[in-house]
Amino acid sequence: DVKVTQSSRYLVKRTGEKVFLECVQDMDHENMFWYRQDPGLGLRLIYFSYDVKMKEKGDIPEGYSVSREKKERFSLILESASTNQTSMYLCASSLSGNTIYFGEGSWLTVV
Amino acid sequence: QQQVKQSPQSLIVQKGGISIINCAYENTAFDYFPWYQQFPGKGPALLIAIRPDVSEKKEGRFTISFNKSAKQFSLHIMDSQPGDSATYFCAAGSSGSARQLTFGSGTQLTVLP
Repeated sequence: DVKVTQSSRYLVKRTGEKVFLECVQDMDHENMFWYRQDPGLGLRLIYFSYDVKMKEKGDIPEGYSVSREKKERFSLILESASTNQTSMYLCASSLSGNTIYFGEGSWLTVV
Repeated sequence: QQQVKQSPQSLIVQKGGISIINCAYENTAFDYFPWYQQFPGKGPALLIAIRPDVSEKKEGRFTISFNKSAKQFSLHIMDSQPGDSATYFCAAGSSGSARQLTFGSGTQLTVLP
């Protein structure tokens, strides 16, 4: 079974803090993704990566950055968290042209 | 052109009824149309998918109907069960694109016992 693991399920951070969300996949997938899920807005792509050290902006990259130093690991970074970044964050991975597999999500609250 | 519009936002169906969720897209380059199912506290998981060379695909109680000329596709859940209560997302993508999928806004389905 493909496993996408998001190490932090629930986080509470203060405004202005730097936040790291970590994601690991165990299936040697080349593509990895970070989505944000908000009610009524669906899944919106923040960033994706198709190879180590490669990244591309998705639809809502403002306020976020990413890092992919190893194939299995993709990190989402909030440089200075703001309350409008309170949301559920979903990491995912895939082989090109095939099913996207999601992690269970990280609930982030910024106070 | 990347948008995928999904309706309704929420749906309540009696046990045994048919649930229907609709999606529409604009980008004619899309060639892959999956549906994902998400239970509370879990990430979305692939339910069923279709490519535009067929107009319908059925897996058990779940059927995708695809209308290429109208650029619409829909999910039908026959004999809906309370265990089907979840959020459903349609998506569309191009198999040649690394970003792969654009998702609809989601439909929260409740099946009453």
